[in-house]
Amino acid sequence: EAGVAQSPRYKIIEKRQSVAFWCNPISGHATLYWYQQILGQGPKLLIQFQNNGVVDDSQLPKDRFSAERLKGVDSTLKIQPAKLEDSAVYLCASSRRGNELRTDTQYFGPGTRLTVL
Amino acid sequence: GIQVEQSPPDLILQEGANSTLRCNFSDSVNNLQWFHQNPWGQLINLFYIPSGTKQNGRLSATTVATERYSLLYISSSQTTDSGVYFCAVLTTSGTYKYIFGTGTRLKVLA
Repeated sequence: EAGVAQSPRYKIIEKRQSVAFWCNPISGHATLYWYQQILGQGPKLLIQFQNNGVVDDSQLPKDRFSAERLKGVDSTLKIQPAKLEDSAVYLCASSRRGNELRTDTQYFGPGTRLTVL
Repeated sequence: GIQVEQSPPDLILQEGANSTLRCNFSDSVNNLQWFHQNPWGQLINLFYIPSGTKQNGRLSATTVATERYSLLYISSSQTTDSGVYFCAVLTTSGTYKYIFGTGTRLKVLA
């Protein structure tokens, strides 16, 4: 079974530029998550999709961040315009999220390391 | 919202030593996962353990849901165990999202 794929692996941009990240979850996984991990901290959930609908985006800075999951499969996260404080690793994860939450298991992609200069 | 705290924040071990990492959470949870983040940043699943005890090789985990904590045991540590260990809890209400702990940074010396 293929894992969660992400691209690009690294990105360097200047502030006020835009950037987009792509994620392809594990086949059959209904739930897709985007996390932001700042150096030295744990991952913070930005947005959670169930199939192609948004379940939680309470911590997404909506004035500059947007995300979509067309057809309930792969997803794109965009930042426009980027700020210095957006420098972080952006992690995508997926889980099957069936009816039994006690066995739900997240699987993570390798992440995209973003540096904003 | 739910608070998730891990201890100790940092740990240095000699190869071959044993260790116990702790995850405390402030409310009931649907599930709890332990992850190892290796030096390249990849988060690797270790266990999902909403309650009880599981073992996988040199690693084992115990969650006591009624007392709101989980423990990760590492025995006979190896240098490849170095990295950051996170627990993440799945909330029981609202949007059923994962909340990550603060992490334990482990360094195993040869």
